[in-house]
Amino acid sequence: KAGVTQTPRYLIKTRGQQVTLSCSPISGHRSVSWYQQTPGQGLQFLFEYFSETQRNKGNFPGRFSGRQFSNSRSEMNVSTLELGDSALYLCASSLAVENEQFFGPGTRLTVL
Amino acid sequence: GESVGLHLPTLSVQEGDNSIINCAYSNSASDYFIWYKQESGKGPQFIIDIRSNMDKRQGQRVTVLLNKTVKHLSLQIAATQPGDSAVYFCAETPSNTGKLIFGQGTTLQVKP
Repeated sequence: KAGVTQTPRYLIKTRGQQVTLSCSPISGHRSVSWYQQTPGQGLQFLFEYFSETQRNKGNFPGRFSGRQFSNSRSEMNVSTLELGDSALYLCASSLAVENEQFFGPGTRLTVL
Repeated sequence: GESVGLHLPTLSVQEGDNSIINCAYSNSASDYFIWYKQESGKGPQFIIDIRSNMDKRQGQRVTVLLNKTVKHLSLQIAATQPGDSAVYFCAETPSNTGKLIFGQGTTLQVKP
């Protein structure tokens, strides 16, 4: 069974631009969560989707948004990029809420 | 804010010795706890989990201990191997959410 896949793996953007990251969960998994990882703040929860509905949201500004499609694939969008948005963005999937979460390799975003 | 803390940022052990990584959590509503291992350039990898109705759970070479009285979680790795070198994160999940709250991570260095 294929693992969680994320595209692209690496991305370079400039301040003010927007970016869309994609996540394909493990087949059969309906819950997808997104996390931001930085050296200073560690791993921080962004949001969680289950059956196309956002169930939980972390403490990030409205520039960060996401969605989930009927096939459970998910995207997250960051608008008006700031230098501080440079991070590794990780996606995790699970069968349902409160089940073991499996992480993808992440998308490394660099904002110049 | 919510946080799960780890006591030591770095732990250095000799190959073959046992390793113990500690973590303190703060959210009394959390009922599911997980240890993840993250190698350079990869996403976190699930190691072992434990629910709040248990005190101890064993896997292959790993044991997780949960002390709810003092809100303490530990990961024990038996016969530590060079391949165990990585950053280890503890995470907690508040009840009925898919949100993982991560600690800052402990870097395990295994000396040959």
